Order: sequence, then C-alpha cells, then structure tokens
Amino acid sequence: AQSVSQHNHHVILSEAASLELGCNYSYGGTVNLFWYVQYPGQHLQLLLKYFSGDPLVKGIKGFEAEFIKSKFSFNLRKPSVQWSDTAEYFCAVKPNSGNTPLVFGKGTRLSVIA
Amino acid sequence: EAQVTQNPRYLITVTGKKLTVTCSQNMNHEYMSWYRQDPGLGLRQIYYSMNVEVTDKGDVPEGYKVSRKEKRNFPLILESPSPNQTSLYFCASSIQGTPQETQYFGPGTRLLVL
Repeated sequence: AQSVSQHNHHVILSEAASLELGCNYSYGGTVNLFWYVQYPGQHLQLLLKYFSGDPLVKGIKGFEAEFIKSKFSFNLRKPSVQWSDTAEYFCAVKPNSGNTPLVFGKGTRLSVIA
Repeated sequence: EAQVTQNPRYLITVTGKKLTVTCSQNMNHEYMSWYRQDPGLGLRQIYYSMNVEVTDKGDVPEGYKVSRKEKRNFPLILESPSPNQTSLYFCASSIQGTPQETQYFGPGTRLLVL
C-alpha cells in the first residue's frame, strides 16, 4: 500500500522566513498529489494540487510545490511566510489506478512567530 | 453557499451508546467520504461512497457503519462506541471521486467517548 511521509512534525519560523515542507510518497505508478492546509479550528482546504503538466505548481496564498518524479517528492514552498500561515499542512496522494483512497501524510504543524 | 455540513460539531458520549454523525453536501457531488484525524497519524479514511447505495471500506472501517440512501447525505454510525473512537471526524465530498479531484471537507466533529 502506498504511504506518504512528511519529514517535519513541527516547524517554527519567524515572519518573512522561507518555508519548505518535505513530502515523499511510495507508489510506483502515476499519482495525483495534493497539499491541504488546516488553519486552527477550521476544516481542511486545498492549497494546491498536481496531476500532470508543469511539475512546478502554484497554489493559493503564494504557496508552490514541485513534483520531482525521480525522488517521489512533492515539497511545499513559500518564499516569505506570514503569521497567518500558522496552520497544519497535509500532503496527500491518490494513485490514478484503482479505487485506492486519498492517503494523507501525518501532517506538519507550522508556527510562525512575529 | 457550496458547503459540507456536519452535525453535531462536538459530542461527548459513553461506551456502548449508539450515535450517528450526519454529513450533508449541497454540491450534488457523487463521492463522499469519512475520515478520522488523530494526533501524529494524520487523516485516515473510514468509509467512502462513490454514489447512492454504493459504499466501501477505507483504511480503518472497524466499529463504523455508513449508509448512502440519498446523494446529499452520508451519515456515520457508531453502533457501540468505544474510547478508541475518540477522535476528530471529517466528512468530505467531491464531484465523482476521480483521482484528480479536490475533496471538500466539512468543519469536523469532535467526539469524546468515555
């Protein structure tokens, strides 16, 4: 079964610092990749997704992610974080084949301090 | 407003007392799904439904039941809740459940089983 690894459990950054959150997945076939964000007390929302085309995907609020097929990675980046980016971030993978569910990583909690 | 709603938002119950968490979406989505979110484990799928009267197990279905009698509703039933079902539950929906689709999440139901 496929799995998704998010390397950082909790990341603490100062405002204006650059962000990179790692995500690796284990699945040999074609996959669709997602980053969801959960702001404190709120439900999950889609940040961005990739399923084909340009491997550099731009999402909302200045986030982007790069799909590197050879590394099975889909890291999330933002050049300059804001306090309002404090949230939990989930990477998720859904293979193209079969009825396999959307598989989430364990999440990375981002705390942005002033 | 397009949305996924869940009720109740918070619930405290005792072991063995049957409960139902409702989920409803107003987007005419065919695909609906239930997840549970536990600290350090991310989101794990409990059950999903590709359409009316079509349901299937996710990764952690034990102790749960679902039904899909109408397109808009997908209730989660705990026949005999146990303390290990204390968790945060999310319902989600998407248009058809294809691998590239964004899933739209409800606000969550926080359940405590004593």
